[in-house]
This record gives sequence, C-alpha cells and structure tokens, in this order.
Amino acid sequence: LAKTTQPISMDSYEGQEVNITCSHNNIATNDYITWYQQFPSQGPRFIIQGYKTKVTNEVASLFIPADRKSSTLSLPRVSLSDTAVYYCLVGAGNTGKLIFGQGTTLQVKP
Amino acid sequence: NAGVTQTPKFQVLKTGQSMTLQCAQDMNHEYMSWYRQDPGMGLRLIHYSVGAGITDQGEVPNGYNVSRSTTEDFPLRLLSAAPSQTSVYFCASDEDGWGRITEAFFGQGTRLTVV
Repeated sequence: LAKTTQPISMDSYEGQEVNITCSHNNIATNDYITWYQQFPSQGPRFIIQGYKTKVTNEVASLFIPADRKSSTLSLPRVSLSDTAVYYCLVGAGNTGKLIFGQGTTLQVKP
Repeated sequence: NAGVTQTPKFQVLKTGQSMTLQCAQDMNHEYMSWYRQDPGMGLRLIHYSVGAGITDQGEVPNGYNVSRSTTEDFPLRLLSAAPSQTSVYFCASDEDGWGRITEAFFGQGTRLTVV
C-alpha cells in the first residue's frame, strides 16, 4: 500500500476554511484516496473518498490533481467540533485492511 | 442497527493473564480487522479477516490470536498479557475490504491496561 505523508498538526479558528494536504508519491493506478476523522476516545469515521479531480459531500471536499501524487482535504468554515485527528489513506479494494499513518491533529480555536 | 459492537469497553489485566476482546457486527460485512492505538499515535493493524475461516496478520500481530468462525464475530485473544499491550483496541468491519466503494465502520474501542 502506498505510504502517505501529512502534517502532524494544524491550528485554525472557527469559521475558517481548513486545507490538509497529503502526499502519496507512490500511489498505484488502482488506488483510491480515503480520509477518516477521529475524535478523542472514539473510533475513526469515514469522511470522504475519491479517485481523481474533485469530490464533495456534505462534510468536506477532496481535491486530487491530475498526477494523483497528493490530495487535499478541505473543511469549509470549521467549528470547535471539527477538532480531531484526520487520516489520509491510500489503497485499492479487496485487501481487507487499512493502513493508518500518524494523521493530522487539527485544533480549532474560538 | 447496532453496527460494530466491542466488549468490554474497559479492562485491567495483570501481567500474564489471558483474555478475549469481543467484536461483533450486524451489517453482514465480509471484512473485519483489529487495530491498536497507543497514546498520541495512529492506528496499527493487528490482524484482519476477509471472510469466515480466513485470517491474516497485520503490522503488529505478535502476542495476539484471532479466529473467524462466523461472519458476525471476530474475537481478539491475548494469550499472556504484557504491559506493552496497554492500548486502546478498535475493531472495524467493511463491506468491500478496503473502502474503495463503501466505508469501514469502527467500534467504540476497548481500553486495556496491563499492570
């Protein structure tokens, strides 16, 4: 599975847009890019997934450039409740496993 | 719909004791997996299963055993607990095995302390 690199931590303020970038230089042709969110004392929760270009849902947007060697999770107008750890994962189907990195700890301040 | 249920939520063991962490899912997912999360760290894969009767090792399998006799259940056994196994354990299930089309669902975790 392709290794990912993301910032260890980020700070933001309520109401701002937050962009978290993930590098995955060795992404394979069949790999998808998936982001999970984890609050303290809870299991991770799926946020968004994409293969190329842009994907948007009610929670976030995911931007993937043409070379797919990186991706950016965009959280619009964050609130205090968005304080969490965000994980970027890359891989393809039917492996039966997820490989997590250290993730990005996002701290949203009032 | 309960999703993924882990029991117990908290457990304290003495070094050398054995125990089983339970994980059950009611979504008829083929794929299930166990992770451990140490303080300030990401999740590390212990064991996973792609279906009843099929299991495989993850990144950190030593000291843990698993079996998958039914689609619903995927217990994790600690044979002889060690302080290094103090961690939070998460179980997950996934319809597609990776999440390429669907998403993985995680339980609430079991916080284990070995003294």
